Amino acid sequence: GIQVEQSPPDLILQEGANSTLRCNFSDSVNNLQWFHQNPWGQLINLFYIPSGTKQNGRLSATTVATERYSLLYISSSQTTDSGVYFCAVELTVGGADGLTFGKGTHLIIQP
Amino acid sequence: EAGVTQFPSHSVIEKGQTVTLRCDPISGHDNLYWYRRVMGKEIKFLLHFVKESKQDESGMPNNRFLAERTGGTYSTLKVQPAELEDSGVYFCASSPGFVYEQYFGPGTRLTVT
Repeated sequence: GIQVEQSPPDLILQEGANSTLRCNFSDSVNNLQWFHQNPWGQLINLFYIPSGTKQNGRLSATTVATERYSLLYISSSQTTDSGVYFCAVELTVGGADGLTFGKGTHLIIQP
Repeated sequence: EAGVTQFPSHSVIEKGQTVTLRCDPISGHDNLYWYRRVMGKEIKFLLHFVKESKQDESGMPNNRFLAERTGGTYSTLKVQPAELEDSGVYFCASSPGFVYEQYFGPGTRLTVT
């Protein structure tokens, strides 16, 4: 099946810093989503971005589908940005219908 | 607009018992998905409904798991009999169509003792 690799696995930053999270995937996809899992375990939708670039406040994401990677940028980090960030993809052809998740990046923002 | 809701939020049962989880998708979303995350593992796809029809249940771990979606509205996931390795968080997601953005519920944390 499709492989989804996220890096780094863990990231500790000071408040105000910028960060880049990466998601590599092994096959062509027609759906790519970024999620933030908050301290209560809820998966919060950040971006639906199978290709191109999107921005939402301090967060932005870029997916280069031809090169099979996506990047999530967080600028001016706040303590509330802490949590696990997941990338999930859905295959273009074949495979299961659902999303395949990466293992996540655990982000800790220190005050 | 209400999001995806799941009930219960937590369930603690003994090995061998039966548990039924419920998911209410966003109104108007024909596509409903179940996922789960067991201890230390990635979130894994279980199955996919379009309305009341199962489209893909390739992720269901074994025949102790039974999912239904009567009338194409809410869905239930029954585990019978539960085993220790079934412990984890079960998520439900819905989307308005195939390969659209999926929206996740808060999850049900299942603990089998």
